[in-house]
Amino acid sequence: AQTVTQSQPEMSVQEAETVTLSCTYDTSENNYYLFWYKQPPSRQMILVIRQEAYKQQNATENRFSVNFQKAAKSFSLKISDSQLGDTAMYFCAFMNTNAGKSTFGDGTTLTVKP
Amino acid sequence: ETGVTQTPRHLVMGMTNKKSLKCEQHLGHNAMYWYKQSAKKPLELMFVYNFKEQTENNSVPSRFSPECPNSSHLFLHLHTLQPEDSALYLCASSQVLAGAHPGTDTQYFGPGTRLTVL
Repeated sequence: AQTVTQSQPEMSVQEAETVTLSCTYDTSENNYYLFWYKQPPSRQMILVIRQEAYKQQNATENRFSVNFQKAAKSFSLKISDSQLGDTAMYFCAFMNTNAGKSTFGDGTTLTVKP
Repeated sequence: ETGVTQTPRHLVMGMTNKKSLKCEQHLGHNAMYWYKQSAKKPLELMFVYNFKEQTENNSVPSRFSPECPNSSHLFLHLHTLQPEDSALYLCASSQVLAGAHPGTDTQYFGPGTRLTVL
């Protein structure tokens, strides 16, 4: 069974600074996808970034980037130049390509302070 | 904000009631999902429909009954629920490529239905 661990239940960062959210996972599979989703307060969950395990290059979306360490089974999210609108709960998710099953972490609540 | 809508947004029901949650996606996707989000627990995938066919049922109790009449609509029928079923129920949709599994693609979520079971 796959597990996803987000070891930081809550984090805070000053506006314009950089913050890194950690995520580790456990799997024996070789083909899978990893995701970071963002759920702002009282708003819909949206995809932040997606990484295919077979790709060595780290995914990047504007101010969001990941540090994907496949051997270490680590998938951290870095948010640069944090903005107030980045305040949200962030979920790390793992998708087993072969079994078609999704596993989500417990989430990290990020607060960006002015 | 996204092309996935859910109704109602809030629902309070007794344990003997029967109610239904509705999800509609306007994105032309071919897969739809139901998730349960409880306080202090990870997001739990409940059901997956791919081209209207149920492809996954994650050991969900029979008091939850999904229905997918077409690729744009998804229902979750509720009956004789328990207080511990109180949660935010999220619907999502995605476009699954041929030969791929649902969930490997980007999912678009609805706003959720906040369910309270008394």
